[in-house]
Amino acid sequence: EPEVTQTPSHQVTQMGQEVILRCVPISNHLYFYWYRQILGQKVEFLVSFYNNEISEKSEIFDDQFSVERPDGSNFTLKIRSTKLEDSAMYFCASQYSYNEQFFGPGTRLTVL
Amino acid sequence: GQQLNQSPQSMFIQEGEDVSMNCTSSSIFNTWLWYKQDPGEGPVLLIALYKAGELTSNGRLTAQFGITRKDSFLNISASIPSDVGIYFCAGRIGNQFYFGTGTSLTVIP
Repeated sequence: EPEVTQTPSHQVTQMGQEVILRCVPISNHLYFYWYRQILGQKVEFLVSFYNNEISEKSEIFDDQFSVERPDGSNFTLKIRSTKLEDSAMYFCASQYSYNEQFFGPGTRLTVL
Repeated sequence: GQQLNQSPQSMFIQEGEDVSMNCTSSSIFNTWLWYKQDPGEGPVLLIALYKAGELTSNGRLTAQFGITRKDSFLNISASIPSDVGIYFCAGRIGNQFYFGTGTSLTVIP
């Protein structure tokens, strides 16, 4: 069964460093999303991406964040200068049409 | 962002019991979704609801999209130990998904 994959599973970085989180969505899906989940809290929407551009973003998704689909398969989230409060699980999700999203296993980001 | 309030926050039940949880909001949603999340993993979709009043089942799970489009409930019948986890509701507006605060379910064998 096709699934969303994410790498790395755990990323440790120093405050101020740039990180890139990678996702490979399900191959025929058209809509892509990033979410974050701070430990013990709810899942929070960051951004949705369709047709090679951002379709919607939340107030969390400020200028420090960017997304890219550099080739036909990868979908990346970049955080330019990480802060301590960026420590969280980051989930990628993909969707074919106006129906359910499939989530990846997540990347745990730890900012020291 | 939109606020989705789930209740109860946590539940401890005996195996075999039925479970009911709900999600309310002051906002109207086009779609309601229920997810289960196991520790260290991503949410897994359980049920999706697309129109007001819709009642949908998936095995032992039943969910309903409230008539006002501002609420939804999820029932689990005859709970089993593997039902343990955190259950999240989510509502969709446009291409944004808003998640509830979660209900933590513990099933005691």
